[in-house]
Amino acid sequence: DAGVTQSPTHLIKTRGQQVTLRCSPISGHKSVSWYQQVLGQGPQFIFQYYEKEERGRGNFPDRFSARQFPNYSSELNVNALLLGDSALYLCASSLGLDTSYEQYFGPGTRLTVT
Amino acid sequence: QQQVKQSPQSLIVQKGGIPIINCAYENTAFDYFPWYQQFPGKGPALLIAIRPDVSEKKEGRFTISFNKSAKQFSLHIMDSQPGDSATYFCAASPIPPRTNAGKSTFGDGTTLTVKP
Repeated sequence: DAGVTQSPTHLIKTRGQQVTLRCSPISGHKSVSWYQQVLGQGPQFIFQYYEKEERGRGNFPDRFSARQFPNYSSELNVNALLLGDSALYLCASSLGLDTSYEQYFGPGTRLTVT
Repeated sequence: QQQVKQSPQSLIVQKGGIPIINCAYENTAFDYFPWYQQFPGKGPALLIAIRPDVSEKKEGRFTISFNKSAKQFSLHIMDSQPGDSATYFCAASPIPPRTNAGKSTFGDGTTLTVKP
């Protein structure tokens, strides 16, 4: 069975640009969470989505937004990129809301902002 | 305020040794405590997890010890191998019906090196 997939693998953007990252959860999983992992640190929670609704938001500015589609895939958008947005962006999927704490991570998208 | 503190930052052991990584948490609303293994360029992989109703859980060579009163938990890796060399993260999360059940709080990681 395929695990969580994310695209693209790597991305280089310039300050001020906008970026969209994509995630497909494990088949049958309906909850998706997004995390930012800066080099040398643990992942930081950004958003959780379940059944296309936002169910949780971390301490990130409004430049960060996300959505979930009917097939449970998800997109993370970041506007007006800053150098500090350079990080590994991780998507995690869970079976449902009741088990949303059991998270399975994808390989991540490495974003570099220059 | 860092809600999950992990130590040590790095650890070097010989093959066959038993590395121990420790975590402490502050939020009593946490009910689920997983450990993740991450290799360079990869996402974190769930290794083992524990709930606060038990004090120890073993899966293969990995053991979690949990001390609810001290709000601490640790990962032990028995008979460590060079292939275990990776970064290990502890995390903590509420579970339903608490809110934010999908929000895991991570420690800053421990880089483990197992020498042949």
